[in-house]
Amino acid sequence: DAGVIQSPRHEVTEMGQEVTLRCKPISGHNSLFWYRQTMMRGLELLIYFNNNVPIDDSGMPEDRFSAKMPNASFSTLKIQPSEPRDSAVYFCASSLADRGGYTFGSGTRLTVV
Amino acid sequence: AQKVTQAQTEISVVEKEDVTLDCVYETRDTTYYLFWYKQPPSGELVFLIRRNSFDEQNEISGRYSWNFQKSTSSFNFTITASQVVDSAVYFCALRGDTGFQKLVFGTGTRLLVSP
Repeated sequence: DAGVIQSPRHEVTEMGQEVTLRCKPISGHNSLFWYRQTMMRGLELLIYFNNNVPIDDSGMPEDRFSAKMPNASFSTLKIQPSEPRDSAVYFCASSLADRGGYTFGSGTRLTVV
Repeated sequence: AQKVTQAQTEISVVEKEDVTLDCVYETRDTTYYLFWYKQPPSGELVFLIRRNSFDEQNEISGRYSWNFQKSTSSFNFTITASQVVDSAVYFCALRGDTGFQKLVFGTGTRLLVSP
């Protein structure tokens, strides 16, 4: 298994631009999570899906952030418009909901200038 | 609500020393899962171990060992004979078992192992 695949690995964009982060979970996993890591706030959960349905998006910082999971093998996290304070590493993780083990992707390092 | 506390922000040791990373958790769930992840300088999050709340048996894997004590709500991680490659940030995490539960992370402990 290739693990959780995230793209791009690095993204540099200008303030105001739209940014889309992508994630392919492990085949067979039915839960998907988006986390953000910053020095100030550590690892924080933004949103998670179970069977492609958003279950808890209370961690999404504001309306500029949106996430979708159109099918079991793909999810996107979109920021529009992006701001410098969105600069962080964004991780995607997947799991079998009742197994408790989470596998993380390599992350996307986002820099908004 | 779930909470994980890693009071040690940074630990520095010399190679071959033993080191213990502390983790204290809070949960109201009777069933829960505890995890340790390693984040090396390259940035990825590497799964190390998962422990179920109903299994208090300690575990050893090579130079790594974990001490789970429900009485003190602790799940400590010990590295024996540390090596430079062990230098990383280590995160303890907790997942409850009520409904759809998210994984809650501690703030991490940075371990620096010098030659």
